[in-house]
Amino acid sequence: EAQVTQNPRYLITVTGKKLTVTCSQNMNHEYMSWYRQDPGLGLRQIYYSMNVEVTDKGDVPEGYKVSRKEKRNFPLILESPSPNQTSLYFCASSSTISAEKLFFGSGTQLSVL
Amino acid sequence: QKEVEQDPGPLSVPEGAIVSLNCTYSNSAFQYFMWYRQYSRKGPELLMYTYSSGNKEDGRFTAQVDKSSKYISLFIRDSQPSDSATYLCAMRGGNYGGSQGNLIFGKGTKLSVKP
Repeated sequence: EAQVTQNPRYLITVTGKKLTVTCSQNMNHEYMSWYRQDPGLGLRQIYYSMNVEVTDKGDVPEGYKVSRKEKRNFPLILESPSPNQTSLYFCASSSTISAEKLFFGSGTQLSVL
Repeated sequence: QKEVEQDPGPLSVPEGAIVSLNCTYSNSAFQYFMWYRQYSRKGPELLMYTYSSGNKEDGRFTAQVDKSSKYISLFIRDSQPSDSATYLCAMRGGNYGGSQGNLIFGKGTKLSVKP
């Protein structure tokens, strides 16, 4: 089954404790992206990657890091989480041929205390 | 002015009603227009997409794009309780590569269809 898998689904952590949210896709997509979704603000792009070893900032990259060492994986790293990073996070991927069709993961609900 | 504006609702309609959801945008370079549907506690899923201006129909759903007015619409006929979700419009430019290929999303309209 074609899918984007995010883990964990829910995460509660404390300020300053480094964490990683994993994202993996099984569709051989070139493009991958991370979004955060907040009430009243909608989906905002954090980072994206056009292919392996190619990443770039989105609209709200501060406080986040990413890497793309393999085509299927695109982890999101919060080196020193803060309460304002409490949000619902989505990973997404698409092929370059059908760039309009983004496949989203099920989301990670992060709470930073 | 934000690139994409979408009325957040919420919008509540009775079952069987015709629903109209809309977005306006400011960037004339946008050429691909999408509607995503997001159920509660799920990731968005692509519902329909249109290239440039015109209409596209898929069952009970019709997407319209008016590039001259920078206005897109999604119509839902004979709405059902299962249509209750948040609907997000999205759009991007014609060139795929770099930031031009990224989708720009509206904030979403929450729709509730009452039985």
